[in-house]
Amino acid sequence: QVQLVQSGAEVKKPGASVKVSCKASGYTFTSYEINWVRQATGQGLEWMGWMDPRSGNKGYAQKFQGRVTMTRDTSISTAYMELSSLRSDDTAVYYCARRNLAVVAEDYWGQGSLVTVSS
Amino acid sequence: DIQMTQSPSSVSASVGDRVTITCRASQDIKNWLAWYQQKPGKAPKLLIYGASTLQTGVPSRFSGSSSGTDFTLTISSLQPEDFATYYCQQADSFPTTFGGGTKVEIK
Repeated sequence: QVQLVQSGAEVKKPGASVKVSCKASGYTFTSYEINWVRQATGQGLEWMGWMDPRSGNKGYAQKFQGRVTMTRDTSISTAYMELSSLRSDDTAVYYCARRNLAVVAEDYWGQGSLVTVSS
Repeated sequence: DIQMTQSPSSVSASVGDRVTITCRASQDIKNWLAWYQQKPGKAPKLLIYGASTLQTGVPSRFSGSSSGTDFTLTISSLQPEDFATYYCQQADSFPTTFGGGTKVEIK
């Protein structure tokens, strides 16, 4: 079965960086884009960007341009999202999700990774 | 960016009630509209894509429809497990954007 398993919770200080991993299993990793979405406590869903694991092509939301980097390691079917220059308002749960182009939607999601930014 | 305006932001309903949630796009998104259900502490779950196609395994009491830039999610007979927050998402153009969410609460 398709699974996306994310790395655990992190606590970071303002100005630091965080790197969240998303390990895929149960399907061909390079056949589906990976999207990253975050959610602050009690708030809605905010899309951050996407990456094509096959080509490495990626696109980021303008809000995160210059601070976010999405990469992948196809040998271990893992996608990464690194966010730098962290601020307190980056405190959120970060999700990876598989974009299924056949349905044009995110059909599988990781369990989420809580990132807390606090001094 | 395309704005997705979802209403209401919350609704109180009883088991067995019919519940309707609306999402309005700021411009034409054809039918590239998905609906997700999210329960507390859990990741979103895809319910409907292409505005009206039920994802595999989703109960038939959920349905989606569209009229121009207005999209509707209907739960025909609310069940206890349906109390959750629902989000719409447009996937027509970059960047994809979500509605603000509708919390379905127990009356």
